[in-house]
Amino acid sequence: SQQGEEDPQALSIQEGENATMNCSYKTSINNLQWYRQNSGRGLVHLILIRSNEREKHSGRLRVTLDTSKKSSSLLITASRAADTASYFCATDEGSNYQLIWGAGTKLIIKP
Amino acid sequence: SQTIHQWPATLVQPVGSPLSLECTVEGTSNPNLYWYRQAAGRGLQLLFYSVGIGQISSEVPQNLSASRPQDRQFILSSKKLLLSDSGFYLCAWKTGFDEQYFGPGTRLTVT
Repeated sequence: SQQGEEDPQALSIQEGENATMNCSYKTSINNLQWYRQNSGRGLVHLILIRSNEREKHSGRLRVTLDTSKKSSSLLITASRAADTASYFCATDEGSNYQLIWGAGTKLIIKP
Repeated sequence: SQTIHQWPATLVQPVGSPLSLECTVEGTSNPNLYWYRQAAGRGLQLLFYSVGIGQISSEVPQNLSASRPQDRQFILSSKKLLLSDSGFYLCAWKTGFDEQYFGPGTRLTVT
């Protein structure tokens, strides 16, 4: 089953601009994670934010979490061509075993 | 450091033929192991997960089966492939509440 829903489904911006992607989920979570997938490759973990955290940074990435709205956003600042990829959010839904995945946002950075 | 291997990278099989995809993990013990399928341009569908040797949980009724003969080996199989089994198959592992680590994936085309 899919709990996370990413928005937008696709995003195309100029290199150097900021990219923002959103994720909504339906039930209580312990943590929410963001992953990146380059075309035809496996997923790479980007950042994990726990339910008691509101904001987290990692390099050019900033993730926010609003548990009252059951939503998260991923901001990529000063985008680069290498950021072109699909981005997925995943939640644990309180489970120690499974992650529930969204359908992803396809990000294209135009040079 | 931990490493996850998947093979083969690509596979073209006729309808009705058997399938065996293998995933092995190095550098960790007693991981949770996962098989996902991803249709083109879509999110991840969890197929199976395993919390220990011989322990397999199936998420979706289908033409596939999984086995975990050793702690760090996870195998995805089918006796007779269907056209609908085509897709990108990803193996992943995790421990505890932490992030999942993905293999490079296998692109399966059933003809």
